[in-house]
Amino acid sequence: NAGVTQTPKFRVLKTGQSMTLLCAQDMNHEYMYWYRQDPGMGLRLIHYSVGEGTTAKGEVPDGYNVSRLKKQNFLLGLESAAPSQTSVYFCASSPIGGKEGANVLTFGAGSRLTVL
Amino acid sequence: AQSVTQPDIHITVSEGASLELRCNYSYGATPYLFWYVQSPGQGLQLLLKYFSGDTLVQGIKGFEAEFKRSQSSFNLRKPSVHWSDAAEYFCAVAGGGSNYKLTFGKGTLLTVNP
Repeated sequence: NAGVTQTPKFRVLKTGQSMTLLCAQDMNHEYMYWYRQDPGMGLRLIHYSVGEGTTAKGEVPDGYNVSRLKKQNFLLGLESAAPSQTSVYFCASSPIGGKEGANVLTFGAGSRLTVL
Repeated sequence: AQSVTQPDIHITVSEGASLELRCNYSYGATPYLFWYVQSPGQGLQLLLKYFSGDTLVQGIKGFEAEFKRSQSSFNLRKPSVHWSDAAEYFCAVAGGGSNYKLTFGKGTLLTVNP
């Protein structure tokens, strides 16, 4: 059981380039999330999805787009990368419903992105 | 809006000493509370969670946390720290029900001296 898998693990971009981070989960979780982690800032929610075909903005959505075409996959896109988007990105997923379900997140190992 | 404050950015303890990491939250109703741990270069792993009931919750790796509603706190404790506990620790809060999004604190980095 792989859990949550993120690809790529590392990527270096030049300003203005585009890229997509892929998150895949094999736990049949309904909810998926993208966070970014910056030193001294903790984790901040970028976008999230409550089911296939749905997406919603989190705390810091600007400059990012997401898609959830399949339940198991959640893609994070950067259309025109900026140095301020240099960060470590974490994908997470959680099951639906029930007070002890929806809030328990399983995280991927992270994707380190550097924008020059 | 919900929020989490971890007052200590960095804590250093000696191996075998006791540990307490502080977490204060802000939320209008009864929150769901979590502690996650992140080892260097790794993702986050759930240590323990509080939803309701007994205010003292036990987690993995010998950690426990106590929910104190009157103090809006959810402090993490361990009686005897091991060198392998060196990591960054994050407290998080969620509202529960339809408010399932977690809000994280900024983290506390734990250094363990031999």
